[in-house]
Amino acid sequence: DAGVIQSPRHEVTEMGQEVTLRCKPISGHDYLFWYRQTMMRGLELLIYFNNNVPIDDSGMPEDRFSAKMPNASFSTLKIQPSEPRDSAVYFCASSEQGYNEQFFGPGTRLTVL
Amino acid sequence: QQQVKQSPQSLIVQKGGISIINCAYENTAFDYFPWYQQFPGKGPALLIAIRPDVSEKKEGRFTISFNKSAKQFSLHIMDSQPGDSATYFCAASMRDTGRRALTFGSGTRLQVQP
Repeated sequence: DAGVIQSPRHEVTEMGQEVTLRCKPISGHDYLFWYRQTMMRGLELLIYFNNNVPIDDSGMPEDRFSAKMPNASFSTLKIQPSEPRDSAVYFCASSEQGYNEQFFGPGTRLTVL
Repeated sequence: QQQVKQSPQSLIVQKGGISIINCAYENTAFDYFPWYQQFPGKGPALLIAIRPDVSEKKEGRFTISFNKSAKQFSLHIMDSQPGDSATYFCAASMRDTGRRALTFGSGTRLQVQP
């Protein structure tokens, strides 16, 4: 298996633009997580899904952030409009029902100018 | 109550030495405690994990010690090697009560000098 796939790996955009991050979980995994990593706040959960249904979105910063999982093999995290404080590395992770381990993707480094 | 506190922030160890990283938590509902290793430019990867019904777990050179009454757990890296130089995160989750998301500590940057 190729592991969790994220795209793009790097994104540079200007303040006010829409940004869409994409994730393909490991095939057969039932859980999908979006985390954000910054120097100030460390690694923090944004939202997670179970069987394509959002379970906990308490970490989503504000209405500018939205996440969808239209099917078991694809999820998006959208920021509209983007702001400089959204600059971070965004990780997607997946795990299998009945197992604890979360497998992380390589991350998307987002820079908002 | 969701916080996991980790120390030290950074650690320098000589090759062959023992690296020790500590974490403490408040929420007694946490029931799964993993350690993740992260190299620059990569995503975190699971290193070793423990459940609260055991006090110690060892895998190769890596050992987790768990003190349920003190709500503390630690990672010990024996015979530390330069290849162990990375950032280490402790974490906790409430798997059995349904909240699978991980709450991470702030991370420890380990440097093993040759």
